[in-house]
Amino acid sequence: AQSVTQPDIHITVSEGASLELRCNYSYGATPYLFWYVQSPGQGLQLLLKYFSGDTLVQGIKGFEAEFKRSQSSFNLRKPSVHWSDAAEYFCAVAASGGSYIPTFGRGTSLIVHP
Amino acid sequence: GAGVSQTPSNKVTEKGKYVELRCDPISGHTALYWYRQSLGQGPEFLIYFQGTGAADDSGLPNDRFFAVRPEGSVSTLKIQRTERGDSAVYLCASSQGPLSYNEQFFGPGTRLTVL
Repeated sequence: AQSVTQPDIHITVSEGASLELRCNYSYGATPYLFWYVQSPGQGLQLLLKYFSGDTLVQGIKGFEAEFKRSQSSFNLRKPSVHWSDAAEYFCAVAASGGSYIPTFGRGTSLIVHP
Repeated sequence: GAGVSQTPSNKVTEKGKYVELRCDPISGHTALYWYRQSLGQGPEFLIYFQGTGAADDSGLPNDRFFAVRPEGSVSTLKIQRTERGDSAVYLCASSQGPLSYNEQFFGPGTRLTVL
């Protein structure tokens, strides 16, 4: 079975600073990988996903993530954080084949200081 | 257009009671998913419908949990003999079709508190 580890429970950055949220997965074959964002009172929103091809994936809101097979990682990055980016971020992995239902990590809470 | 809606937004019940949580997916979405999110955790898969039938119910924790989608649109998650450990946010999502090609859209969730 697949699993996801998000080692950072909280991350604090200053507005305008760069951001990297870590995600490591466990899965025997090539995984399907996702990043979601959850703002208070809102549903989860898909930021980006990796299924195949280019390992650097561009998403919405200026986010990108890089799939590194050798490190079993799919870290999320943003060059300049805005106060509105403060939210909970979830990495998820799905098995290739089957129903592709994602297994989520526990999440990283992003705090943005002005 | 309208997104996924869930009712009620909050539900408080007493241990041992029966509850129903409702999900209205995006119109035309054939796939519907239920997740449970406990405090400080990511969403945990419960059940997946393709049309009216449950395609995968492997995430339901025990036989107290049951879900239906009789007309292939609205779904109801039913929990019998609720326990304090059932307290969580229950999330619903829908997609146009298989997730290999389509995105899941999530509702805001129903926060269930079992006293």
